[in-house]
Amino acid sequence: EPEVTQTPSHQVTQMGQEVILRCVPISNHLYFYWYRQILGQKVEFLVSFYNNEISEKSEIFDDQFSVERPDGSNFTLKIRSTKLEDSAMYFCATLAGVTDEQFFGPGTRLTVL
Amino acid sequence: GQQLNQSPQSMFIQEGEDVSMNCTSSSIFNTWLWYKQDPGEGPVLLIALYKAGELTSNGRLTAQFGITRKDSFLNISASIPSDVGIYFCAGPFNAGGTSYGKLTFGQGTILTVHP
Repeated sequence: EPEVTQTPSHQVTQMGQEVILRCVPISNHLYFYWYRQILGQKVEFLVSFYNNEISEKSEIFDDQFSVERPDGSNFTLKIRSTKLEDSAMYFCATLAGVTDEQFFGPGTRLTVL
Repeated sequence: GQQLNQSPQSMFIQEGEDVSMNCTSSSIFNTWLWYKQDPGEGPVLLIALYKAGELTSNGRLTAQFGITRKDSFLNISASIPSDVGIYFCAGPFNAGGTSYGKLTFGQGTILTVHP
């Protein structure tokens, strides 16, 4: 069964460093999302992406964040200058565009020291 | 913004027992989704509901979309140890009539099953 994959599974970085989180969506899916989950909390929406542009972004998704789909397969989330409070699980989700069912990847655990 | 209130926050049950959890919202949703999350993993979609009043089953799981479209419940029958995890309800928020919007998640119900 097709699935969303994410790399790396765990990223440790120093405060102020840039990180890029990668996602490979399910191949025929058209809508892409990033969510984050701080330890012990609920899943929170960051950004949605469709037709090579951002559809919607949350208050969390400030100027330090960016997304792109550089090569038609990978979908990336970049954090330019990480802060301690960016430590969380980051999930990519994709949707085919037929129903509202979003399928999530296994996540990247980001730890900012 | 839209909020989903999920209850109970946690449940401790014996293997073989049935479980029920629910989710309510002050806003109407056109879709309800139920996910399960194992520790350190991503949410896995269990059941999707699309019509008010709809009752859908997936093995030992049954979920219903409330008539008012502001609530949903998930039942697990004859629980087993691998049912342990966090169960989230979620609904898409389609701002301005756009389709396939962001998901709003409930706070989750932590399920512990004692063998």
